[in-house]
Amino acid sequence: SQTIHQWPATLVQPVGSPLSLECTVEGTSNPNLYWYRQAAGRGLQLLFYSVGIGQISSEVPQNLSASRPQDRQFILSSKKLLLSDSGFYLCAWSGTPTNEKLFFGSGTQLSVL
Amino acid sequence: AQSVTQPDIHITVSEGASLELRCNYSYGATPYLFWYVQSPGQGLQLLLKYFSGDTLVQGIKGFEAEFKRSQSSFNLRKPSVHWSDAAEYFCAVGSGQGGKLIFGQGTELSVKP
Repeated sequence: SQTIHQWPATLVQPVGSPLSLECTVEGTSNPNLYWYRQAAGRGLQLLFYSVGIGQISSEVPQNLSASRPQDRQFILSSKKLLLSDSGFYLCAWSGTPTNEKLFFGSGTQLSVL
Repeated sequence: AQSVTQPDIHITVSEGASLELRCNYSYGATPYLFWYVQSPGQGLQLLLKYFSGDTLVQGIKGFEAEFKRSQSSFNLRKPSVHWSDAAEYFCAVGSGQGGKLIFGQGTELSVKP
């Protein structure tokens, strides 16, 4: 069966520090991968999605970047965190391009202080 | 522009009472519609989805939703709420590009004993 792992679960970082959140998927190959952010009191916003290794699409301009070094690995990064980067970050995967069912990881609560 | 509206930010119901969470969408084509549930500090779990066919869809945990094209709605219902249903519920519409979902703001459900 397919599983998705996301870590860490919580993270407190000072403003200006770097960030690296990792997400891995098991039990499937060539998944579509996604990073969503949920700011406090708001819905989910799609940040990045990837249809293959090295292929990253950004949905909104921001202080963050994403990379997909391996088929089932998706990394969210920042060189210098801003206060506004605080939020709940969710990794997700989906199957074939026409299958829009998403499977979510357990999320990372990021607090930038 | 595509959008999803969940008019109720917070709903409180008594245990055993019926529940209806509202969702309205704006989408230019036949939508793919989803309801997800998020327990505190957790990722999202898919409750049910509508792609085509029967407009009344059954999901997990006793939830159902009805797609009404004329009203651009996809309301979530449950006949008898359990205390464990307390969570945040998100309605989402598929953008037609494989997993790129547009989410509503969410409705937080509280259950009174």
